[in-house]
Amino acid sequence: EAGVAQSPRYKIIEKRQSVAFWCNPISGHATLYWYQQILGQGPKLLIQFQNNGVVDDSQLPKDRFSAERLKGVDSTLKIQPAKLEDSAVYLCASSLGPGSNNEQFFGPGTRLTVL
Amino acid sequence: RKEVEQDPGPFNVPEGATVAFNCTYSNSASQSFFWYRQDCRKEPKLLMSVYSSGNEDGRFTAQLNRASQYISLLIRDSKLSDSATYLCVVNKVGANNLFFGTGTRLTVIP
Repeated sequence: EAGVAQSPRYKIIEKRQSVAFWCNPISGHATLYWYQQILGQGPKLLIQFQNNGVVDDSQLPKDRFSAERLKGVDSTLKIQPAKLEDSAVYLCASSLGPGSNNEQFFGPGTRLTVL
Repeated sequence: RKEVEQDPGPFNVPEGATVAFNCTYSNSASQSFFWYRQDCRKEPKLLMSVYSSGNEDGRFTAQLNRASQYISLLIRDSKLSDSATYLCVVNKVGANNLFFGTGTRLTVIP
């Protein structure tokens, strides 16, 4: 079974530039998550989708971050404009459903460096 | 206070040793608890859920103490392949998602 796919794997940009990340969840998984993991810290949830609707975006910095999952499958996360402190690994995860009893499967992540 | 707190380590132990990690959580209403494992520069993967009565999976034992609001992970007979960061995870009360701790780094030395 194919896992969660993410691209690109690495991205280097200068501050104030824009960047977008893509995620393809495991087939059939209705719930999709985007996490930010800063070096030395645990993953922090940015946004959670249930199908194509947003369930929780309370920790998403909405002045610069946006995400969408228009058809309820693939998702994109955008940062515009990027700041130095956005340097992190951006992890996408998916699960069958929204409850904490549903295991989350993570993709390999996109490592972003903002110069 | 953070929702989940862990000692970041590092813990350096010899092969065959027993090592234990603890984690505390702030919300007494939390219901679901997990340990995830994250290898260097890899994604987190579920290691095991933590049940109220405690549970064991081979060399790994997880326990929950609700009164003191802490979770533990015990690894017996450590192997080199156990070297990783262990993330303590707790559900977010009122929402169907999770809080991850900062992780405890373990290195098993030959």
